[in-house]
Amino acid sequence: QVQLQESGPGLVKPSETLSLTCVVSGYSISSGYYWGWIRQPPGKGLEWIGYVFHTGTKYYKPSLKSRVTISVDTSKNQFSLKLTSVTATDTAVYYCARAPDQWGQGTLVTVSS
Amino acid sequence: DIQMTQSPSTLSASVGDRVTITCRASQSISSGLAWYQQKPGKAPKLLIYKASSLENGVPSRFSGSGSGTEFTLTISSLQPDDFATYYCQQYNSYSWTFGQGTKVEVK
Repeated sequence: QVQLQESGPGLVKPSETLSLTCVVSGYSISSGYYWGWIRQPPGKGLEWIGYVFHTGTKYYKPSLKSRVTISVDTSKNQFSLKLTSVTATDTAVYYCARAPDQWGQGTLVTVSS
Repeated sequence: DIQMTQSPSTLSASVGDRVTITCRASQSISSGLAWYQQKPGKAPKLLIYKASSLENGVPSRFSGSGSGTEFTLTISSLQPDDFATYYCQQYNSYSWTFGQGTKVEVK
């Protein structure tokens, strides 16, 4: 059974960097699928941030590309998100996912001083 | 980015009703479309992929159809557990995008 679990700070100050990690169990990241991050501002819809293919090819949402980095650590079977220069508009529940079928439970990140 | 437009935004229905949600793409996405169900405080759950393929374990009352730019999600007989928000998502292009969501509420 595949499981994904997000972890990271729940509060980030404006202009700082948001960092989250997704630990995957029950499936090897290097075996296949796309692995990515989605966010959902409170009361709003879903937005893909970016994803990485198991071969290492990455794609980022164009409007976030200058601030986003997704990295993969196959030795730990996990992948990470870094979003720099955050503002209040980056406040959201952040989900990691194995596209399209498995999602983590999500973690709320609030950007506030 | 390819824009995905769902209609309606809100749908009021009763248990047993047949429910249809539409998703339109701003350009052709072939069959690169998924449907998700989301309940409050929970992660989205995959229902349909490749426009019409039912995900394992999803009840057969859910079905998807369409290709190109117009797609539908149908619930043949609405059950109490189906009151939720539904999202379409295209993955035909590199830039994946979701529709804005359709909330199915109790009439």
